[in-house]
Amino acid sequence: GQQVMQIPQYQHVQEGEDFTTYCNSSTTLSNIQWYKQRPGGHPVFLIQLVKSGEVKKQKRLTFQFGEAKKNSSLHITATQTTDVGTYFCAAATSGTYKYIFGTGTRLKVLA
Amino acid sequence: GAVVSQHPSWVICKSGTSVKIECRSLDFQATTMFWYRQFPKQSLMLMATSNEGSKATYEQGVEKDKFLINHASLTLSTLTVTSAHPEDSSFYICSAGLEATSVYNEQFFGPGTRLTVL
Repeated sequence: GQQVMQIPQYQHVQEGEDFTTYCNSSTTLSNIQWYKQRPGGHPVFLIQLVKSGEVKKQKRLTFQFGEAKKNSSLHITATQTTDVGTYFCAAATSGTYKYIFGTGTRLKVLA
Repeated sequence: GAVVSQHPSWVICKSGTSVKIECRSLDFQATTMFWYRQFPKQSLMLMATSNEGSKATYEQGVEKDKFLINHASLTLSTLTVTSAHPEDSSFYICSAGLEATSVYNEQFFGPGTRLTVL
């Protein structure tokens, strides 16, 4: 079945450093979503990418969808302690409404 | 934004009992809802897709007789864990989308239900 892997699994950064998580699918995707889950909380939608090569920005967050629509990345510039949490990508393939979540990247930001 | 609630937020039960978890979309109608389970420090695993007025679609490896899903209205889906055992202890989360017929469907997640089976 479809697999969605994220790397790294964990990342500890000093506040102010940049952070990137990568999401890779074994199959071509129709679109991809990114979520953030704070410790003890539930996933919160961040963004959706649909087009090949698409890049979207939200303040310090930059999201990118690969040209082949099989991978995606989330980059955070100048991390803050409020960025702490686990970032998940969620991938959908054509013809289905369901999303398969990636393995997640847990981010810790040290003040 | 769209709000999804879950009840209860946590439940502790004895082995062999059944537990029902409710998922409600509070300010929108959700033709399709999704049920996930999440073990500590792991990802969300899709269990089933719940469709209003029809049978749920279960993912491979998920026992449909064990995890009963009912989606009787456009705002309510229920997951019943039957004859629960300690290995069923987990965090169960539901989600709903605004446009069931579109794959470009932002999911709104409920706060989750933590089930502990003794």
